[in-house]
Amino acid sequence: EVQLVESGEGLVQPGSSMKLSCVASGFTFSNYGMNWIRQAPKKGLEWIALIYYDSSSKYYADSVKGRFTISRDNSKNTLYLEMNSLRSEDTAMYYCAKGGLWGWYFDFWGPGTMVTVSS
Amino acid sequence: DIVMTQTPSSQAVSAGEKVTMSCKSSQSLLYSENKKNYLAWYQQKPGQSPKLLISWASTRESGVPDRFIGSGSGTDFTLTISSVQAEDLAVYYCEQYYDTPLTFGSGTKLEIK
Repeated sequence: EVQLVESGEGLVQPGSSMKLSCVASGFTFSNYGMNWIRQAPKKGLEWIALIYYDSSSKYYADSVKGRFTISRDNSKNTLYLEMNSLRSEDTAMYYCAKGGLWGWYFDFWGPGTMVTVSS
Repeated sequence: DIVMTQTPSSQAVSAGEKVTMSCKSSQSLLYSENKKNYLAWYQQKPGQSPKLLISWASTRESGVPDRFIGSGSGTDFTLTISSVQAEDLAVYYCEQYYDTPLTFGSGTKLEIK
């Protein structure tokens, strides 16, 4: 059974940094691209970053480019999101999602971890 | 960026009724080399993370009831629920994966009368 479990939930001040983790199990993690997607309270879904199975390519939404960094450690079956210069508009539920076999749809999602940026 | 427009924003139906919802993209999602449409549909029930229903515009995921039907090509897509059940109460999102940035529609909220 595929499982994705995010961690790193918390309340942080504007301008600060935070790192999220997502531990994967139930599939061969090193064979699949992975994504971070967020959802602000009462809002829709926003894709923010993807990373290829071997970390050879990474893509970001303009809203986080230059501030967030996606990475992975295939030996630990873990996906990361390093978030710097956090803003109030980054307040959201952050989901880790597995990429599909042949396309960048999201076939499994974690339960999410909440990040609140507020003074 | 490819803009995804979903209509209606909300819809209320009775159990057993048929419901359709639309998703339009600002450019074609049909890749000419493989004739596939790079469009997915997700269901997000209250308090839960989204669940993939359909990929490639019309390919139902394993375990998804056959009352969920995806159709369309190019820029116009539809999700049909042939006979709505009470458990289908959710927000439905479309997503294009033709190009980055990957983008979602704003969602259609399905309410059960």
